[in-house]
Amino acid sequence: DTAVSQTPKYLVTQMGNDKSIKCEQNLGHDTMYWYKQDSKKFLKIMFSYNNKELIINETVPNRFSPKSPDKAHLNLHINSLELGDSAVYFCASSQVPRVARTEAFFGQGTRLTVV
Amino acid sequence: GDSVTQMEGPVTLSEEAFLTINCTYTATGYPSLFWYVQYPGEGLQLLLKATKADDKGSNKGFEATYRKETTSFHLEKGSVQVSDSAVYFCALNLGGTDSWGKLQFGAGTQVVVTP
Repeated sequence: DTAVSQTPKYLVTQMGNDKSIKCEQNLGHDTMYWYKQDSKKFLKIMFSYNNKELIINETVPNRFSPKSPDKAHLNLHINSLELGDSAVYFCASSQVPRVARTEAFFGQGTRLTVV
Repeated sequence: GDSVTQMEGPVTLSEEAFLTINCTYTATGYPSLFWYVQYPGEGLQLLLKATKADDKGSNKGFEATYRKETTSFHLEKGSVQVSDSAVYFCALNLGGTDSWGKLQFGAGTQVVVTP
């Protein structure tokens, strides 16, 4: 039973298009995240939501808009896709983030390729 | 700012060799420290963690000790297998309401184990 699942796994699209990536977690966690992994494997946080409320927005272009309909889901919508958006996007979740001990659980990633 | 520095890869080893991946951190508070592993084509999995100074995390034959005096969390395994070939990420989490569970990752170290 998958803990953090994201769809689709692969996404190939043209520049200028709008696309969405969906994420769901069944761990009962209150906090969800989006991370971006670039071509050199470097991982950086994009957003964090706690109980449907945006907590962290790490200077991400406003073409990226996260949406959390409930605390088990966090979707990422990207408008006007650019070549530089090509990356692997990871969804993650954690419990009690105020406590440093907690780890995050990651999904399998969505490889986005903009052509 | 807070940061994590890992040794650059790729690290190429023969099966049964000893593996060390160095990780040092800079943090304003008292972080929890993590090692995540990414197998080819997969998401990130937590390998081990340590939440306070002198804690030792261990899992699947891997170990790392939280050394506050040297701000380090080096990963070691005594005898690697081909199946350990992956990218390994060191990460920190400051906790608290400012970082809200945000993981700060190192650049990742690719490990290649040959038969």
